[in-house]
Amino acid sequence: GAVVSQHPSRVICKSGTSVKIECRSLDFQATTMFWYRQFPKQSLMLMATSNEGSKATYEQGVEKDKFLINHASLTLSTLTVTSAHPEDSSFYICSARDLSTSGVTTDTQYFGPGTRLTVL
Amino acid sequence: AQRVTQPEKLLSVFKGAPVELKCNYSYSGSPELFWYVQYSRQRLQLLLRHISRESIKGFTADLNKGETSFHLKKPFAQEEDSAMYYCVRTGGFKTIFGAGTRLFVKA
Repeated sequence: GAVVSQHPSRVICKSGTSVKIECRSLDFQATTMFWYRQFPKQSLMLMATSNEGSKATYEQGVEKDKFLINHASLTLSTLTVTSAHPEDSSFYICSARDLSTSGVTTDTQYFGPGTRLTVL
Repeated sequence: AQRVTQPEKLLSVFKGAPVELKCNYSYSGSPELFWYVQYSRQRLQLLLRHISRESIKGFTADLNKGETSFHLKKPFAQEEDSAMYYCVRTGGFKTIFGAGTRLFVKA
């Protein structure tokens, strides 16, 4: 159980275009999803925390108008990179936090496989 | 600043040797600590969480609040343990990853 998928796995786009990345929890409900960015040979950096039905909470230094996050349901969150530029090229990873059947949220996160974005 | 420190970028041990991946954290409240592992060409996955006090794949980790540490240990390393290991702290609505330690277990 606890599988998280991301789509697409890889995307190449032209500078100035927008790219949408989807994150889905396949077999559980996730009240909270997280979006991370990972540069080559570096650790994951949290970009934002996405709560279902409310606005995302962005980390310091992350432009909310640049990285639009929508969490419309308990199983889907989307990250849209608007007007992408080459410096936005990175590996984007989402994770979802499981809302257990008992209603008690644990802090365990289940990760998607990541999306590699290349902006030309 | 809130931090998770993994001092070793790379740890290389021989098969059968004990291994300890160090992790220190800073947090004033009551954090939750995790170890996540990423095997080659696979996604990140949970290995251990401190609240479970469990042993997974022979690994254990004890939260030491006095030393603010959550070191990952295994008495006898196996080749299949070779992977990237991240110490992660959650708390105060934040998730912070350590820089990661690459474990390489040599035959």
